[in-house]
Amino acid sequence: DAKTTQPPSMDCAEGRAANLPCNHSTISGNEYVYWYRQIHSQGPQYIIHGLKNNETNEMASLIITEDRKSSTLILPHATLRDTAVYYCIVRGEGKLIFGQGTELSVKP
Amino acid sequence: DTAVSQTPKYLVTQMGNDKSIKCEQNLGHDTMYWYKQDSKKFLKIMFSYNNKELIINETVPNRFSPKSPDKAHLNLHINSLELGDSAVYFCASSQGFSYEQYFGPGTRLTVT
Repeated sequence: DAKTTQPPSMDCAEGRAANLPCNHSTISGNEYVYWYRQIHSQGPQYIIHGLKNNETNEMASLIITEDRKSSTLILPHATLRDTAVYYCIVRGEGKLIFGQGTELSVKP
Repeated sequence: DTAVSQTPKYLVTQMGNDKSIKCEQNLGHDTMYWYKQDSKKFLKIMFSYNNKELIINETVPNRFSPKSPDKAHLNLHINSLELGDSAVYFCASSQGFSYEQYFGPGTRLTVT
């Protein structure tokens, strides 16, 4: 059901930027891209969303390519507490459809 | 202070029993959801309620019945529990139907 493709896992050094890619080549013109994360044993947490323009909030930045077929979530200064599974979701059919996500490990 | 809370956090029960999981949100939202996360970590929506009215009802066995006494509460009743019901169940809420949802801490259900 997921309309996105993400690498299954990534590592990042503490203090460095974590760049998490997502492909959504079949995205429709009015579909937003949403990012959530799930820290071990906790409920998913909303991070950010966007349509066309790049977005930034206190947690992360979202860069969407001009053709909207892919995006990158950027955690500018990753900490150990950012270790989690990150989900890229293209809304569809009136519900959140979670894929397998990317398991990000931030290492000291 | 907890925005979305669930009780109990852990639930261990035997096959055939009936159990309930409760969810409460204090965010003033009018839409609530139940999700199931299985052992392979796939997270899938089960139900959605808006202003106490059922909006989304995925292909879920009718042994599962959500009940919303008011906008702030959405409970999940499960009858005749089976081994395959073992999972983590998450409640979530949002203002209107929204893809920006706030999740509870989850209830880990183990059926033996």
